[in-house]
Amino acid sequence: AQTVTQSQPEMSVQEAETVTLSCTYDTSENNYYLFWYKQPPSRQMILVIRQEAYKQQNATENRFSVNFQKAAKSFSLKISDSQLGDTAMYFCAFTKWGNKLVFGAGTILRVKS
Amino acid sequence: DAGVIQSPRHEVTEMGQEVTLRCKPISGHNSLFWYRQTMMRGLELLIYFNNNVPIDDSGMPEDRFSAKMPNASFSTLKIQPSEPRDSAVYFCASRTLAGPYYNEQFFGPGTRLTVL
Repeated sequence: AQTVTQSQPEMSVQEAETVTLSCTYDTSENNYYLFWYKQPPSRQMILVIRQEAYKQQNATENRFSVNFQKAAKSFSLKISDSQLGDTAMYFCAFTKWGNKLVFGAGTILRVKS
Repeated sequence: DAGVIQSPRHEVTEMGQEVTLRCKPISGHNSLFWYRQTMMRGLELLIYFNNNVPIDDSGMPEDRFSAKMPNASFSTLKIQPSEPRDSAVYFCASRTLAGPYYNEQFFGPGTRLTVL
């Protein structure tokens, strides 16, 4: 069974600085998909970024980028120029094609002014 | 697009009562997921459907929980009888396996259930 581990329960960062959230996963699959979801205090689950395992290029979405290391089974999220609105719980998630999402425990990120 | 719609947004009930949570997926999506979120257990998948057919219900905690998807635009999650330990936020999510957003799950706003 696949597992997803987020080893940082909480993190904080100053506004405008950069922060990296860690995620590792365990799978024997070769083709799969990885996601980062954001859950602000409103509790809405918002997709931040996705990465297909067959793509070597790291995904980027504006201030959000990932460092995908397939051999190491690592999938970290970098947030540049942090903003107060980035304060949220961040979940790393794994899925195979057409299958269910497996979530990590989450990392609470607090952006301080 | 209206996104995934869940109702009610909040539900407070007493132990032993029946609770029904509702979900309308995004039009054109053919997979629907029910999740439960608690502080202790995080996000757990309860059940998911492909093309209205239940595929994996291994996360359904016990017989008190049941889920149905009678058509592509509606699903229910029922708890009967409810217990205080069922208090949680219940999310519905939908997905398509086609198009530019293939394999991405879109979540509803959740239903906060409190069982007294």
